[in-house]
Amino acid sequence: DTGVSQDPRHKITKRGQNVTFRCDPISEHNRLYWYRQTLGQGPEFLTYFQNEAQLEKSRLLSDRFSAERPKGSFSTLEIQRTEQGDSAMYLCASTLGFAKNIQYFGAGTRLSVL
Amino acid sequence: DAKTTQPPSMDCAEGRAANLPCNHSTISGNEYVYWYRQIHSQGPQYIIHGLKNNETNEMASLIITEDRKSSTLILPHATLRDTAVYYCTPIYNFNKFYFGSGTKLNVKP
Repeated sequence: DTGVSQDPRHKITKRGQNVTFRCDPISEHNRLYWYRQTLGQGPEFLTYFQNEAQLEKSRLLSDRFSAERPKGSFSTLEIQRTEQGDSAMYLCASTLGFAKNIQYFGAGTRLSVL
Repeated sequence: DAKTTQPPSMDCAEGRAANLPCNHSTISGNEYVYWYRQIHSQGPQYIIHGLKNNETNEMASLIITEDRKSSTLILPHATLRDTAVYYCTPIYNFNKFYFGSGTKLNVKP
């Protein structure tokens, strides 16, 4: 257990529905990252926060995706109007953000869009 | 972005050293190389990182070539629990990782 928790662990939804995932980072970590991982591939960067500010978004993050980190603590990732191509593992990681930048990952949320 | 090349899979006998190579020929001078591993259905787990000197910790050793274009992760005495996908990734912009497809290490009894 790395101390980063994600909820839910699994989500099954129908195409067109909205889903929201939550990530609770290690408490003193000021940076929080979201990654997406499809079968057989490594995690791909989606976005990251420095405290409550969202500093970078990948072009993978379409307009249907939105992420927030109110108060610089937990973060949510919402996908609107889900598509079958959104089926993946969504991983959250946190770090202190200093030079060593060791990112600690949660166990992920596996999304299946039917 | 600095990209990496790793063999898709490797086998290792239990108790023997596992040497996992990674090519990162486009890495820039201030990018660290990080190694993570991912056991099925879990999030990636940090192993070790380095800039240009060899590094060792309780999990592994990291050998980085002098020109920094490649590195090797060494698990000195592999166990069955070391079966996982291993990723090397440069830290890009001191920030986000690029994981690539990794190497599936199969440790066999």
